[in-house]
Amino acid sequence: GQNIDQPTEMTATEGAIVQINCTYQTSGFNGLFWYQQHAGEAPTFLSYNVLDGLEEKGRFSSFLSRSKGYSYLLLKELQMKDSASYLCAVSSTDSWGKFQFGAGTQVVVTP
Amino acid sequence: DSGVTQTPKHLITATGQRVTLRCSPRSGDLSVYWYQQSLDQGLQFLIQYYNGEERAKGNILERFSAQQFPDLHSELNLSSLELGDSALYFCASSPRGLPAGGNTEAFFGQGTRLTVV
Repeated sequence: GQNIDQPTEMTATEGAIVQINCTYQTSGFNGLFWYQQHAGEAPTFLSYNVLDGLEEKGRFSSFLSRSKGYSYLLLKELQMKDSASYLCAVSSTDSWGKFQFGAGTQVVVTP
Repeated sequence: DSGVTQTPKHLITATGQRVTLRCSPRSGDLSVYWYQQSLDQGLQFLIQYYNGEERAKGNILERFSAQQFPDLHSELNLSSLELGDSALYFCASSPRGLPAGGNTEAFFGQGTRLTVV
């Protein structure tokens, strides 16, 4: 099985930077995904990492260390609309088809 | 618009009843996933189908069942409904069954909000 851990909630100020950590335990690792979900809406894809290192996409960046079972999502220049839940998900060859998500981190952006 | 269509958007039904939720994946996607999300909870993986066959099962109750048809649309059947089954039910699709390698993320539909009264 997979264990995916993320903090429950984080609060940050508009314009600031927030880093959301995700740790996982799995064998047959085959990729880590980050999704954003606003309350009552569908999750939307943000980023994908399969190799170690940093992937940058505008204000969002995601980092992966496979040896440490660790990833983070970095949100820069926070905007009020970034208030949402951020979900970490791991794909594994040992859990074929079980595309499972962490419980999500609720980010609250304050003025 | 993700290209994944779920119907109905809202459903209110009584305890003990049976409902069917429908999902049409993105054109060409072979894999369909079903998730349950209760209020303020994370996404709970229920079941995955790939090209008509069940591929993986999560914490799906015996009262729930699903299938994927030859045209690749999928249905989730929920029976003997209880108050605790009230939740958002999401369907997602991907081109191939994860893990397939590559950036084959799953695309989510807008969900069906089920309220059991």
